[in-house]
Amino acid sequence: RKEVEQDPGPFNVPEGATVAFNCTYSNSASQSFFWYRQDCRKEPKLLMSVYSSGNEDGRFTAQLNRASQYISLLIRDSKLSDSATYLCVVPPNSGNTPLVFGKGTRLSVIA
Amino acid sequence: DTAVSQTPKYLVTQMGNDKSIKCEQNLGHDTMYWYKQDSKKFLKIMFSYNNKELIINETVPNRFSPKSPDKAHLNLHINSLELGDSAVYFCASSQAGGVETQYFGPGTRLLVL
Repeated sequence: RKEVEQDPGPFNVPEGATVAFNCTYSNSASQSFFWYRQDCRKEPKLLMSVYSSGNEDGRFTAQLNRASQYISLLIRDSKLSDSATYLCVVPPNSGNTPLVFGKGTRLSVIA
Repeated sequence: DTAVSQTPKYLVTQMGNDKSIKCEQNLGHDTMYWYKQDSKKFLKIMFSYNNKELIINETVPNRFSPKSPDKAHLNLHINSLELGDSAVYFCASSQAGGVETQYFGPGTRLLVL
């Protein structure tokens, strides 16, 4: 299994739809995870952190399944402004190893 | 009051030239990074510095040399540019290494002709 693997998409969904992305990781010792959002031609920005079983912030819910080694991001009531690439990030176990970024899942929300 | 800034934003140059990209953060963070994002959008770490000391040096050609004059700055110098160096280079910083949130600069789009 690759260190971090994501479905690249694109996911094309209508406004108001619910969409979910999955991200699988290989290091079973990983304790925390992040979802970053990257808009077209912009830098990545932190969207959510996932430390235990999950995290919810408004329309966004991140869930962690340690047994199956995946995290998911659920977006409810999609908005046009949600169109972006969503990057799954797995931090290192020690300070001297780098963050591992997934290749990202592209979402297009269509009017 | 930009948190992480990079210059230049765009860089177009000929093969074989030497160029530098500068990065500054005003967040008071101890750790700074350089990432490369290629045409396939894959974001890959190149270097990481903690308080001016190199702590991560991934497999990067030695034509790339980072320099950190102080913990708020991390510059990237590239010698003998090649076509394959064309990419977007992002600087980032975090309070500490590892699990801390990283804050990215706007990126430098490098095109080598």
